[in-house]
Amino acid sequence: GAGVSQSPSNKVTEKGKDVELRCDPISGHTALYWYRQRLGQGLEFLIYFQGNSAPDKSGLPSDRFSAERTGESVSTLTIQRTQQEDSAVYLCASSPKVGRGSYEQYFGPGTRLTVT
Amino acid sequence: DAKTTQPTSMDCAEGRAANLPCNHSTISGNEYVYWYRQIHSQGPQYIIHGLKNNETNEMASLIITEDRKSSTLILPHATLRDTAVYYCIVRLNAGGTSYGKLTFGQGTILTVHP
Repeated sequence: GAGVSQSPSNKVTEKGKDVELRCDPISGHTALYWYRQRLGQGLEFLIYFQGNSAPDKSGLPSDRFSAERTGESVSTLTIQRTQQEDSAVYLCASSPKVGRGSYEQYFGPGTRLTVT
Repeated sequence: DAKTTQPTSMDCAEGRAANLPCNHSTISGNEYVYWYRQIHSQGPQYIIHGLKNNETNEMASLIITEDRKSSTLILPHATLRDTAVYYCIVRLNAGGTSYGKLTFGQGTILTVHP
């Protein structure tokens, strides 16, 4: 079946502009995660959504970063007033609540953001 | 979540077994060991996880020492497509399901050569 999809695949923006990144999780997955990966680095956790519970925003690096999720579907990550240090690959992952595969997080291909 | 230590890089010949070690000496009793890998320009991919028993699936085997302070991921017959960064992650599972963030370290760069 379809995996996690993200759009755009690549985004180049000027410093100071706002950007929106989109994630479509696997249908039926209740948990959704955003991570950031800077060049040559490991993944950094940003935010986690689980059903109707309050999201875990503990990884968001500043108040310029925010994310929303409508129910158990699409999520958008918004970065306001982008800075050059925001340049990274932004990865989305989803996970089912129960059943086979509940221990796995399924990752999308990522959005490569370049801030010039 | 407990910290893990992995070698920076390893090489393996195609067709041979790749054995990737991971130290997690501060692991607590209810923390699981997970392995993910990331092939260049792709998102991470789940490989296997375990608590204290050795585990095997279609991709790999996971050997956890009796004291649980270290583990080894085994790819029994490595192929060129197994070249990737391999991440060992230790984290809690809650209530039989697995939520919450994954904390990725630097991982091991495995290069499989012909």
